[in-house]
Amino acid sequence: SAVISQKPSRDICQRGTSLTIQCQVDSQVTMMFWYRQQPGQSLTLIATANQGSEATYESGFVIDKFPISRPNLTFSTLTVSNMSPEDSSIDLCSVVRQAMNTEAFFGQGTRLTVV
Amino acid sequence: GESVGLHLPTLSVQEGDNSIINCAYSNSASDYFIWYKQESGKGPQFIIDIRSNMDKRQGQRVTVLLNKTVKHLSLQIAATQPGDSAVYFCAENTGNQFYFGTGTSLTVIP
Repeated sequence: SAVISQKPSRDICQRGTSLTIQCQVDSQVTMMFWYRQQPGQSLTLIATANQGSEATYESGFVIDKFPISRPNLTFSTLTVSNMSPEDSSIDLCSVVRQAMNTEAFFGQGTRLTVV
Repeated sequence: GESVGLHLPTLSVQEGDNSIINCAYSNSASDYFIWYKQESGKGPQFIIDIRSNMDKRQGQRVTVLLNKTVKHLSLQIAATQPGDSAVYFCAENTGNQFYFGTGTSLTVIP
């Protein structure tokens, strides 16, 4: 298994401000993933963070809005910029381990409320 | 990406009864599926998985059934307990990416 520490666990943010979410993994991983979960909905992949290269963003998500850092193989940050009420969600980081099968492990999530 | 969806958004069951949560997927080439449980305030946790060369897999109190003909996946929980109350997601794995269904909120009534 993988232990993922994500912080902050929650925050209430003013419209127009930015928040940086940190994700620390207990072992080195090549790829880290950032997901967004809107209220009552499923998880949507924001981007894949690779160490040593720019993150790869999914359709509907752009680097200016969601800048990502990946300074080493155990750490990543996601910044949510210029927040609006539509950013109220739970954002989660995730890693994947390849053993017999592929298994995803998740941080506990950051609950964002934008007022 | 692939479309993975659930039939029922909410499900309430009596404690001790069996629960069945359903999921439909659209990519017939998918060969690996996972069920996740997400409790309030926590990230999703792995429950059970199944590969497309199987149609049934059992774990502790949980069984996953796969019907590739109709592209349908189900999770059965036996003797449902209050601790089973959570949101359950099916997910389809392609390479290193996971595509998640909408989620079913299971409420266990004592």
